[in-house]
Amino acid sequence: SQQGEEDPQALSIQEGENATMNCSYKTSINNLQWYRQNSGRGLVHLILIRSNEREKHSGRLRVTLDTSKKSSSLLITASRAADTASYFCATGYNNNDMRFGAGTRLTVKP
Amino acid sequence: KAGVTQTPRYLIKTRGQQVTLSCSPISGHRSVSWYQQTPGQGLQFLFEYFSETQRNKGNFPGRFSGRQFSNSRSEMNVSTLELGDSALYLCASRREPSYNEQFFGPGTRLTVL
Repeated sequence: SQQGEEDPQALSIQEGENATMNCSYKTSINNLQWYRQNSGRGLVHLILIRSNEREKHSGRLRVTLDTSKKSSSLLITASRAADTASYFCATGYNNNDMRFGAGTRLTVKP
Repeated sequence: KAGVTQTPRYLIKTRGQQVTLSCSPISGHRSVSWYQQTPGQGLQFLFEYFSETQRNKGNFPGRFSGRQFSNSRSEMNVSTLELGDSALYLCASRREPSYNEQFFGPGTRLTVL
């Protein structure tokens, strides 16, 4: 399967703590994206990292990509209650196909 | 610019019936993808349409079909509904398949009784 797999499936932290989610995949990719989904709604694009990049930042988000290990991580620093959501990685391929993983459910307690 | 819209937002059907879901992409976006989301399976790719042609299809039975119109609006149809078809169906658009970022609609919640 081309799908990425997120780890952990669920994560619960206190407000102010950092949250780290991981994504692993099996075949070579062109890019990897992270999306957020608030309960029962559509997904919102957060950040994209290309296969020739190792790290990207956007506000409180930091994404790393290790193509040798076929894995990526999403770090959310100084988490807030409003960060409570599901986070999905999406792997993009040279044929422009995209596949999503099963997601990590993040709960940030106030 | 208006976002991706999906209609209806909620739908209740019984086994054996068929259903049609509609998606209007962002203006200027010609690629539309459909996903099925269930609690245990995450987002499963159904198919992608570009310029009225299906360019890719996921691993779903033939009961799931779709089409795209000349104005890029898309519909998906599920025939002979089964209980397991209960899910959130998400539509996403992008300008073209070569554009990485997808923009998602709010989804249609289908319940099959």
